[in-house]
Order: sequence, then structure tokens, then C-alpha cells
Amino acid sequence: GAGVSQSPSNKVTEKGKDVELRCDPISGHTALYWYRQSLGQGLEFLIYFQGNSAPDKSGLPSDRFSAERTGGSVSTLTIQRTQQEDSAVYLCASSIQGLAGGNEQFFGPGTRLTVL
Amino acid sequence: QQQVKQSPQSLIVQKGGISIINCAYENTAFDYFPWYQQFPGKGPALLIAIRPDVSEKKEGRFTISFNKSAKQFSLHIMDSQPGDSATYFCAAVSNYQLIWGAGTKLIIKP
Repeated sequence: GAGVSQSPSNKVTEKGKDVELRCDPISGHTALYWYRQSLGQGLEFLIYFQGNSAPDKSGLPSDRFSAERTGGSVSTLTIQRTQQEDSAVYLCASSIQGLAGGNEQFFGPGTRLTVL
Repeated sequence: QQQVKQSPQSLIVQKGGISIINCAYENTAFDYFPWYQQFPGKGPALLIAIRPDVSEKKEGRFTISFNKSAKQFSLHIMDSQPGDSATYFCAAVSNYQLIWGAGTKLIIKP
């Protein structure tokens, strides 16, 4: 298991329900990122964790979105009261440290979220 | 100012041909320009990257050309192969944030 893993791979939920998406970064990577990718679109930055620093939440689209990273490793992205416009692929990436210096981000396969 | 504009949106190239994807940016604070390749159902993977103090970087069949004064950079895929069919994203980095282009869907016809 050398790569970034995400679960579930697919999630179908009803509008108004809460969902939790999980990301397991590469061991030893201190930086973790969440992105959202809508069909045929580029990646939209959501949130960034770096070590023990306060996360950069500037990309979260609304207060229904939150994320945490426990013990500097696993991260959970939570979407409350899901809406149909939340349907997208949610991608997690990790890197050895922050991108200053050009450290490569390694991406997981994503979680495809469908809100009915 | 944070945008990265990518073109074309889609591209069809014959096998053996040259695929060219272009990107433009405005923020002069960007200091690292990676290209990512994404296959269906997979996350993006770093393909090649360049810093603004270099005008060209080549890795195998993949070359980035960088024009700092024009704030433009491009990806060239030489001798394009069907296995190169994927979506390609350019990006630009400022501090820890990757700013992404919208992507180019490349199809290589056998």
C-alpha cells in the first residue's frame, strides 16, 4: 500500500443526508490536500493540511463542508445536508511537505459522490 | 489573477503525430509549473514540471516549453501513441496551492 487510498470509491446518497469521505495519505507525507473535480472540469482546491499547522480552509465552498486530519495522518471530509450540486469526484492528495519547493502531489483514485 | 487558462479543451491527433497543449497565466508569483496526466477513474499523476528560470524541459517524448515574458507554457508530446490518450492538466504553484487549468482531453487515433 504505497499510494494514497480513498474510501469509499463510490457513494450515492439522498439530498439532505450527511456523507463522510476518507483519505489515507502516503506514510510520512506531512501535507494533505482535498480537491473537487466536477465532470469534465479541472480540480477545485478545497482544503490543505500541513503538519500541525492550522489548515487552509479557504477553498471550502460552504459551511456544510468540513475536514479534519487526525494524528497528522488520516483525513475525513464531511459534507452535511448534501445538495445535488455537491455531486463530483472528491480527490485527496499528499506530498512530503508543502508545495513550496515543488514537492510532487500524489493523488488517490478519488471518491465519486452522487447526490440524488 | 489566480487563473490558469488551458487550451484546447479537446484534441485529436493521429498516432505518431505531435500533440500540443497550451497554458497561460497572469500571476508572476507562480514559481513551479507541473503537468498532470489523468486516465479515466484515476487521480491525476505528475507527468513533467518546470521552473520559470528554464525555457525548456524534456523527458522522453514529453517536452515543456516555457515563455516567461509571455507568461505561457506548453506541453508537446512527440510521436503520440494511443496510450497517451488521457486528460492533461497544466497547473501553476504559488506557495502551497496548485492552480489548475481546465484540462485537455487528448485522443490519439491509431
